[in-house]
Amino acid sequence: EPEVTQTPSHQVTQMGQEVILRCVPISNHLYFYWYRQILGQKVEFLVSFYNNEISEKSEIFDDQFSVERPDGSNFTLKIRSTKLEDSAMYFCASSEAIGTGELFFGEGSRLTVL
Amino acid sequence: KNEVEQSPQNLTAQEGEFITINCSYSVGISALHWLQQHPGGGIVSLFMLSSGKKKHGRLIATINIQEKHSSLHITASHPRDSAVYICAVMGNTDKLIFGTGTRLQVFP
Repeated sequence: EPEVTQTPSHQVTQMGQEVILRCVPISNHLYFYWYRQILGQKVEFLVSFYNNEISEKSEIFDDQFSVERPDGSNFTLKIRSTKLEDSAMYFCASSEAIGTGELFFGEGSRLTVL
Repeated sequence: KNEVEQSPQNLTAQEGEFITINCSYSVGISALHWLQQHPGGGIVSLFMLSSGKKKHGRLIATINIQEKHSSLHITASHPRDSAVYICAVMGNTDKLIFGTGTRLQVFP
């Protein structure tokens, strides 16, 4: 069964460092998403991406965050200068269609900022 | 007030019991998702609904668009159903709004 894969599964970094989280969506999917879940809290939408550009972003997704799909397969989330409050589980997801398309999630990347 | 409310927050059941988890939302939606989050953190999509009812194995999901309410039912519950069940809605954009989840524990 096709799946969304994420790397790394866990990353520990120092405050102020740049972090890149990588995702390989399902190959025929067109819509890509990043979500985050701070420990003990609900999942939150960060950003959606379609046709090589951001289609929607939340207020959390400020200038410290960026996404790109550099090679047509990987979908990356970059955090330029990490803060303690960026510590969370980050989930990538993809779908074939917007709105009514089933979402497929990766296993998540746990980011710990010290 | 949260745009997506789930009840109960925690649920304990004996194996074999019928379980219902409820979700109410306050925004217009194009679709509602029921998700399962395993103890390890991974998220699996169970259902995506825009109307009516869907069934998959022992799981049934219903939605009432007029009442802005959805339910997830588990028949003949089993300890392996223990997980957090999350309701999430998608409005007119592709931003998914999540509920806080219902933690289910099924004991043998």
